[in-house]
Amino acid sequence: DQQVKQNSPSLSVQEGRISILNCDYTNSMFDYFLWYKKYPAEGPTFLISISSIKDKNEDGRFTVFLNKSAKHLSLHIVPSQPGDSAVYFCAASSNTGKLIFGQGTTLQVKP
Amino acid sequence: DTGVSQNPRHKITKRGQNVTFRCDPISEHNRLYWYRQTLGQGPEFLTYFQNEAQLEKSRLLSDRFSAERPKGSFSTLEIQRTEQGDSAMYLCASSFGRGEGETQYFGPGTRLLVL
Repeated sequence: DQQVKQNSPSLSVQEGRISILNCDYTNSMFDYFLWYKKYPAEGPTFLISISSIKDKNEDGRFTVFLNKSAKHLSLHIVPSQPGDSAVYFCAASSNTGKLIFGQGTTLQVKP
Repeated sequence: DTGVSQNPRHKITKRGQNVTFRCDPISEHNRLYWYRQTLGQGPEFLTYFQNEAQLEKSRLLSDRFSAERPKGSFSTLEIQRTEQGDSAMYLCASSFGRGEGETQYFGPGTRLLVL
């Protein structure tokens, strides 16, 4: 049972444009959501998070939106840069603290 | 460097051998997590500690796996009688658990290959 899903395995965008990565979840007990970026042979790097009491959180070029009624969150990267090319994972947690990850979306930003 | 560190970074072993991995968390973090990641998948939770207490174990953690966190500092993950299906990236993360949303910070991982 995949509680967190990233339905797009890959995404390609042009440098300077917006990248939108999507994530859906099924467990209504999740109350904290995070996005991580991962390069090959490295551990995930934390990008941005959002609590379930908010619907938007912004940090520089990265904005995360949460739609609780739809059980959907998205990560917007504006403007996209070639260095953003990596695998992006969304993750969710409840009061247990453990993270449930999606399968990841590979983002390629073309110069 | 005050991030999470893991050793070794790579391990190649023969089926049936035992292996042990070490994780050193960020010093002020009281929670430590182990995850496993296979190709094309997101990390999967294995177990976690709050200080020295192991609070939860996934059903993925068979009886060949054991984890410890003596004195609430570093942690070790041991796999006994390794199988080829154990080949994966083993990730450690730490956080300062406050009972609310907490951010986990990951180490670089240990890549295990069982021949």
